[in-house]
Amino acid sequence: GAGVSQSPSNKVTEKGKDVELRCDPISGHTALYWYRQSLGQGLEFLIYFQGNSAPDKSGLPSDRFSAERTGGSVSTLTIQRTQQEDSAVYLCASSQGQVKQETQYFGPGTRLLVL
Amino acid sequence: AQTVTQSQPEMSVQEAETVTLSCTYDTSESNYYLFWYKQPPSRQMILVIRQEAYKQQNATENRFSVNFQKAAKSFSLKISDSQLGDTAMYFCAFNTGNQFYFGTGTSLTVIP
Repeated sequence: GAGVSQSPSNKVTEKGKDVELRCDPISGHTALYWYRQSLGQGLEFLIYFQGNSAPDKSGLPSDRFSAERTGGSVSTLTIQRTQQEDSAVYLCASSQGQVKQETQYFGPGTRLLVL
Repeated sequence: AQTVTQSQPEMSVQEAETVTLSCTYDTSESNYYLFWYKQPPSRQMILVIRQEAYKQQNATENRFSVNFQKAAKSFSLKISDSQLGDTAMYFCAFNTGNQFYFGTGTSLTVIP
């Protein structure tokens, strides 16, 4: 595709429910990142996928958060038993590879609101 | 620890004027890349400019330029001839090859 896409654009859920957020990276990009952006804050790294390597999960805030990347392409971020503090914009980004000069291309994000 | 600090939460500039956004960072790496990203109200993060740490020459991209001071670990963004479309959040970031590190952002408003 032309860019990174994310769905849904907005998600409202009730506390305690599970949610799935989807990211379609740019075709051919081997690296994929998930970030969380809380209101007025910077980007908080969550998880990083590079090709077929084991993902870097060091940024996941709790075991309620998990992510998968199927076939080296589409990724799903799952939040179980959502809490109000999970409300944020979740951004996905992809890059061609794992080298320092690679530019990340971001999706438009999913705004999650937990009531 | 790898950190990025943007000490100006909010800034404003008159249209057609010049504004500089500051950024400092801390890393023990010797080779890395620095980036400025723009996030307009649409939420889409867009790369503005990037700088290779081993290059002394400051990067420029049309109206955008950086002042990179490696010893001081400073990476400021200068926007010349500010336009209304420059109104956005601006994030400074660097990449050591393992992970990207972002600052908390500077909200820039261009005043007509």
